[in-house]
Amino acid sequence: DVVMTQSPLSLPVTLGQPASISCRSSQSLVHSDGNTYFNWFQQRPGQSPRRLIHRVSNRDSGVPDRFSGSGSGTDFTLKISRVEAEDVGVYYCMEGTHWPQTFGGGTKVEIK
Amino acid sequence: EVQLVESGGGLVQPGGSLRLSCAASGFTFSTYWMSWVRQAPGKGLEWVANIKPDGSTSEKYYVDSVRGRFAISRDNAKSSLYLQMNYLRAEDTAMYYCTTSQGAYWGQGTLVTVSS
Repeated sequence: DVVMTQSPLSLPVTLGQPASISCRSSQSLVHSDGNTYFNWFQQRPGQSPRRLIHRVSNRDSGVPDRFSGSGSGTDFTLKISRVEAEDVGVYYCMEGTHWPQTFGGGTKVEIK
Repeated sequence: EVQLVESGGGLVQPGGSLRLSCAASGFTFSTYWMSWVRQAPGKGLEWVANIKPDGSTSEKYYVDSVRGRFAISRDNAKSSLYLQMNYLRAEDTAMYYCTTSQGAYWGQGTLVTVSS
């Protein structure tokens, strides 16, 4: 199975400051169809997960443009340009190229 | 508006069975791979099972920990997804979410508790 390693585990941030989360996969996430099925999710306290980014860098509908995704192959990054109070929660990376699809362990974003 | 509404969770004894259902609306259900994802209390997310749009037997996938005990199925005419869970164990206790296979849409979840 592909192992997704996220860092950091916890990320205290100051409102208005940038934040960055990394995710590394144990093998390439490039599918045989040429796509890289790598996604980022946000889970606010008490809510279901919500997809923010699909296929590495594509923002989902309604996601603020302060969120951006980048990376390739096995190394990926989620950046928040200016953290707002509503961004508090746990962020998960997920690979959808192989089976079983696997999630990273999560990064808890909190306000300092 | 896209909606996924799960039902069927509850308290069950170890070794028991439950059938989860997910009613979909607001998108063309029959064209999407669908999945069940679970989250144990205070833990991260775990993919449980996937099923192809046409529901063919050959295109169902399970995580090792549930293979042989759980069965995913769908009824495209009813825009519904199911998860039959047999031989339940304490470690199956979790919130179970219905989702499209790449996570575009999620339900609110249904809680399964396995305990004597």
